[in-house]
Order: sequence, then C-alpha cells, then structure tokens
Amino acid sequence: ETGVTQTPRHLVMGMTNKKSLKCEQHLGHNAMYWYKQSAKKPLELMFVYNFKEQTENNSVPSRFSPECPNSSHLFLHLHTLQPEDSALYLCASSQVAEGPIWLHFGNGTRLTVT
Amino acid sequence: AQSVTQLGSHVSVSEGALVLLRCNYSSSVPPYLFWYVQYPNQGLQLLLKYTTGATLVKGINGFEAEFKKSETSFHLTKPSAHMSDAAEYFCAVSNFGNEKLTFGTGTRLTIIP
Repeated sequence: ETGVTQTPRHLVMGMTNKKSLKCEQHLGHNAMYWYKQSAKKPLELMFVYNFKEQTENNSVPSRFSPECPNSSHLFLHLHTLQPEDSALYLCASSQVAEGPIWLHFGNGTRLTVT
Repeated sequence: AQSVTQLGSHVSVSEGALVLLRCNYSSSVPPYLFWYVQYPNQGLQLLLKYTTGATLVKGINGFEAEFKKSETSFHLTKPSAHMSDAAEYFCAVSNFGNEKLTFGTGTRLTIIP
C-alpha cells in the first residue's frame, strides 16, 4: 500500500457537476497539501493543512473547496469548474516539526473538465 | 522569499552518457534543497535532499547533487544514463520553519538509445 493514496485516478466532469477528490495518507504525518500541475506551468500550491488547520489558501477560486476532517484524510470538493481547471491534482503529506520537511506525493487525479 | 530556476526545460542524453540537470535557487536564509522525479502518470518521488552537513548528497538510482553556496546551485548528476531515467525532474527549495516547498518548472529528461 502506497504512503499517499488518491482517488479517483481519472475524473471527467462537466462544468455544472459537483465532484470530490480524496486523499489518504498512511505515514502518520501531520500536514497535507493540494497542488495543481498544469502542462508547461510550475507546480501550484493550492492549500496546506497543518494539524487539520488550514494554514495556506493560495488565492484559489472558491469553486475549489478543501476539507480536512483528520490528519490522515484530505478532500477537494469541486463545483462549477471551468475547462482551464483541467489538470493533474496532486496530494502530498509531510511531518512538520523542527527542522527540514519534505513532501510525499500521491499519484494524482487527472481531471478533465468538459 | 525563495525561488528556483531550472535551466533547460528539455534535456536529451545518450544512454551511458553523463546526466546533468541544472538548478539555481534564491533564498534569503540557509536553504533546504530537494530533487524530485516524476514518471509518466505518477506523482513526484523524492530523489535526494540537502539539509545540512555534507554538500555532496547521494540519492536513489545513482543520482547525486552538490550544494554550492557560492554559486547558489544544486545541480543533479548521474555518471551514466539509463533508459529508465527518462522522466521529469523537479528542483525545490524550502527553509527552516517553512512548511512549504517552492518548485522549479521542471526538466524533462529524454534518453537516446
């Protein structure tokens, strides 16, 4: 079982749909992240949850709504998306403590908005 | 503020040749530096990291990188490329007390048989 699991792997949705992306980490970490990866663009940090509290919202449109019910689970709720939101959405986790941190990524959800 | 610049969005090398992927960083405080690799249809996997101590760090799959403070660089190398090294490589920077990593734009490595 991989350390960070994302479901679904692929998602196609219309602009009026509501869907959710799920992420689960099995590493005992205390922080979780959502990143957006679009073609020919740098990785974009969307949200950070540290000890279940949102510590970063990187000017993400309100059509993306994160939820972190506990330190092992992270959701990204999607509604009324635009075609330009099509991308690979990556979840990551880390152990935030004194000293350096590094991220452990899931395999991502490939989202296509039609 | 911190940033990362990866020179060359695409690099091609012949199988068996030296791999050199360039990364320069900007950080107002001592940095932590990382290289990640992404294979097709997968997430990012940590290759190696520099935090403190020895400036030459070794990672998985025969890769290594050297932290050069005077040049603000953290270039990734591998003496002999293998077909399985074909992937996208990302350099990233963070620092003490920072829960976020700043990534470069990535370098796609192609291996020529």
